[in-house]
Amino acid sequence: EAGVAQSPRYKIIEKRQSVAFWCNPISGHATLYWYQQILGQGPKLLIQFQNNGVVDDSQLPKDRFSAERLKGVDSTLKIQPAKLEDSAVYLCASSLVREGLEQYFGPGTRLTVT
Amino acid sequence: AQSVAQPEDQVNVAEGNPLTVKCTYSVSGNPYLFWYVQYPNRGLQFLLKYITGDNLVKGSYGFEAEFNKSQTSFHLKKPSALVSDSALYFCAVRGLDTGRRALTFGSGTRLQVQP
Repeated sequence: EAGVAQSPRYKIIEKRQSVAFWCNPISGHATLYWYQQILGQGPKLLIQFQNNGVVDDSQLPKDRFSAERLKGVDSTLKIQPAKLEDSAVYLCASSLVREGLEQYFGPGTRLTVT
Repeated sequence: AQSVAQPEDQVNVAEGNPLTVKCTYSVSGNPYLFWYVQYPNRGLQFLLKYITGDNLVKGSYGFEAEFNKSQTSFHLKKPSALVSDSALYFCAVRGLDTGRRALTFGSGTRLQVQP
């Protein structure tokens, strides 16, 4: 089965510019997550979707970050405007809805803000 | 709030020796516990999980982990380390009492296996 796809793999932008990341989860996975992994730290949840509804976005900096999951499949995460501290790897993960099931992660997008 | 602590930034072990990567957690109620491994420039790969039942769980690549409720620990173990096991390991927890399915991760432990 195909894994979680993410693009681009790498992105370099200047501060105050905008950037968007794309994620295609594993087919049939209703739950989709975006995590931010800063160098030297574990991933931190930004937003969780179930189908196309938001379950948890309590840690999403909503003044600059936005995310959507149209039609309950692909998802896009946007940052506008970017700050230096947004430099990180952005990981997308998906899982089935049933309790206790593991999440499957994509390869991530490494963002560098200069 | 739930949290995970991985007290060692790095663990060094010689190939063929047993390895242990430590993890303790804090969560309301009973936990779901996970171990993931991350190789350079790649996403996280699932290794194993504890949901309920036997305290010793076996996972991929010969890894196992022991759940200890009284010590709130979930240490990752392998009887004989391989050089190819060198990677970054993350412990993660999710509480059963919350509707959130997102995981809370530790800060990671780098495992270095020397030939």
